[in-house]
Amino acid sequence: GESVGLHLPTLSVQEGDNSIINCAYSNSASDYFIWYKQESGKGPQFIIDIRSNMDKRQGQRVTVLLNKTVKHLSLQIAATQPGDSAVYFCAERFSGSARQLTFGSGTQLTVLP
Amino acid sequence: GAGVSQSPSNKVTEKGKDVELRCDPISGHTALYWYRQSLGQGLEFLIYFQGNSAPDKSGLPSDRFSAERTGGSVSTLTIQRTQQEDSAVYLCASSSQSGGETQYFGPGTRLLVL
Repeated sequence: GESVGLHLPTLSVQEGDNSIINCAYSNSASDYFIWYKQESGKGPQFIIDIRSNMDKRQGQRVTVLLNKTVKHLSLQIAATQPGDSAVYFCAERFSGSARQLTFGSGTQLTVLP
Repeated sequence: GAGVSQSPSNKVTEKGKDVELRCDPISGHTALYWYRQSLGQGLEFLIYFQGNSAPDKSGLPSDRFSAERTGGSVSTLTIQRTQQEDSAVYLCASSSQSGGETQYFGPGTRLLVL
């Protein structure tokens, strides 16, 4: 079946550096994508979303890039802080299908002091 | 409340017992979702409610799982005759409209079946 996957299960970065978390999706009909952050013992927290008619969207310290040609999604975090340490999930919504999101397996981001 | 709330936060039960998990969505949100998250894994969709429409139950893993949503607000997920493989975090989310628009998650219920 269709799936969303992440290239790297773990990522360690130095505090202050930029982080890039990647995600590959397989359904070209997906029209909406979301990045969530999940800290230990908590539910996923919305970070940023992007629709398929866009290729870039910026938030506060975060940028999401969408490359529909290669079905690739990335989350860039600028000036990574210790509080950014968490598991990051990308999720996609299949256009015209059921309403639920399909999540990838997550990337553990660790920020080193 | 300001966000999605779930109760209990933790539940330990014995194999074969029934459990009920509760979700209070954000006030005014018409869509409600249940997901299951096993240790170190992503989120697995279980069921989706939208307004008064029939729920999408396509993600329920077996007939031991059921959910209801009363009055278009609070939802209860029931697992009958629990098995050890049911141990997971059960997450609830709500959104203001259908179609998978931004879903806001609760803290989850951590279920352990002994």
